[in-house]
Amino acid sequence: GENVEQHPSTLSVQEGDSAVIKCTYSDSASNYFPWYKQELGKGPQLIIDIRSNVGEKKDQRIAVTLNKTAKHFSLHITETQPEDSAVYFCAAGRDFGNEKLTFGTGTRLTIIP
Amino acid sequence: GAVVSQHPSRVICKSGTSVKIECRSLDFQATTMFWYRQFPKKSLMLMATSNEGSKATYEQGVEKDKFLINHASLTLSTLTVTSAHPEDSSFYICSARRGQGARLAEAFFGQGTRLTVV
Repeated sequence: GENVEQHPSTLSVQEGDSAVIKCTYSDSASNYFPWYKQELGKGPQLIIDIRSNVGEKKDQRIAVTLNKTAKHFSLHITETQPEDSAVYFCAAGRDFGNEKLTFGTGTRLTIIP
Repeated sequence: GAVVSQHPSRVICKSGTSVKIECRSLDFQATTMFWYRQFPKKSLMLMATSNEGSKATYEQGVEKDKFLINHASLTLSTLTVTSAHPEDSSFYICSARRGQGARLAEAFFGQGTRLTVV
């Protein structure tokens, strides 16, 4: 089955600086890679995703890159703000509605004002 | 974006009683939903895959008689924690993927249910 590793487990960044979270996956059949933001006491919220037919996707301050050959993908947050503080999860799986996604272990991001 | 609604958000029950948690996809049909359990400061642990009109598929180590799943319609799945004990206290989250059986299948999560068994 799929195995997803996520690093770092905790990350502290000065407000305004950039944050990068990295994930690797093992199953070459995976072609869908979403990222989720989870705030305390809430369910994960989909913030961006990427499919294997593209190498990069950007949405305002958030971007995701994918290297299929190396089987790794990364989340980039620029110009960080205090409200970016949360736990972020990466996931990997097939782009098929009845299949489960495999999640990373999470990164607790703290933005220092 | 698509919305998945989960209720209740918090529930406190006595040991030995059962608790039902509902998960609804509000603007899309979901033949498959997923139930997760999350321990404090930990990742999401998949408990089972809920299939509309058929039996749920449970992950290894999850007691199917303890965690009953019913997926009676294309927009509703329920998780019932039977004979709850304090060790069942946890954060339970459901998820549904849009685009069932097709591409572009984003996964959306409910708000989660904090279960406390006293």
